[in-house]
Amino acid sequence: AQSVTQLGSHVSVSEGALVLLRCNYSSSVPPYLFWYVQYPNQGLQLLLKYTSAATLVKGINGFEAEFKKSETSFHLTKPSAHMSDAAEYFCAVSDGETSGSRLTFGEGTQLTVNP
Amino acid sequence: NAGVTQTPKFQVLKTGQSMTLQCAQDMNHNSMYWYRQDPGMGLRLIYYSASEGTTDKGEVPNGYNVSRLNKREFSLRLESAAPSQTSVYFCASSESGTQYFGPGTRLLVL
Repeated sequence: AQSVTQLGSHVSVSEGALVLLRCNYSSSVPPYLFWYVQYPNQGLQLLLKYTSAATLVKGINGFEAEFKKSETSFHLTKPSAHMSDAAEYFCAVSDGETSGSRLTFGEGTQLTVNP
Repeated sequence: NAGVTQTPKFQVLKTGQSMTLQCAQDMNHNSMYWYRQDPGMGLRLIYYSASEGTTDKGEVPNGYNVSRLNKREFSLRLESAAPSQTSVYFCASSESGTQYFGPGTRLLVL
């Protein structure tokens, strides 16, 4: 069984400050991990994914995430927040890469960026 | 490419009414999924189709049925809507484990 825990349902940062969104996972198989972003009244957009090629994964919009097996973590960071980063962020773990593989999502973290 | 499209965007139903949510993808993906999103609960899988001709239950299938009409289309049916089914519904398709989402359908059941 897989699970994802996102620490902090709401995170607030100032524009220009570091963004850190935390995600811990549990998986019985080597994990495939994802971060998605959801802007208001829109669907989920893929930010980045980890598939074991490299532990530091770079995504769109300046975001990156580091896979740490020893800590079962996959935290999302961005060095300098922009107002346009305000959105809800979801961490997810997959049970594979084959047809029919399923995602288990965390509960989401709402990011607020203050001017 | 339009990616994943969903219709309708918004729907209001009365308790007991039925409706079908439509989803189509133009990326030639084998697998398709239906989720519901409720505040504070993330996304929960309702049903999925690993490939054309197959469907399987997800985490919260009760009260729903699905049809994989062909490789492109995957519909979700509510036979007798209940207020507990008020939610935002997302369809997704996947390639090599990465899922791509549609814009969602907001459903209100009164």
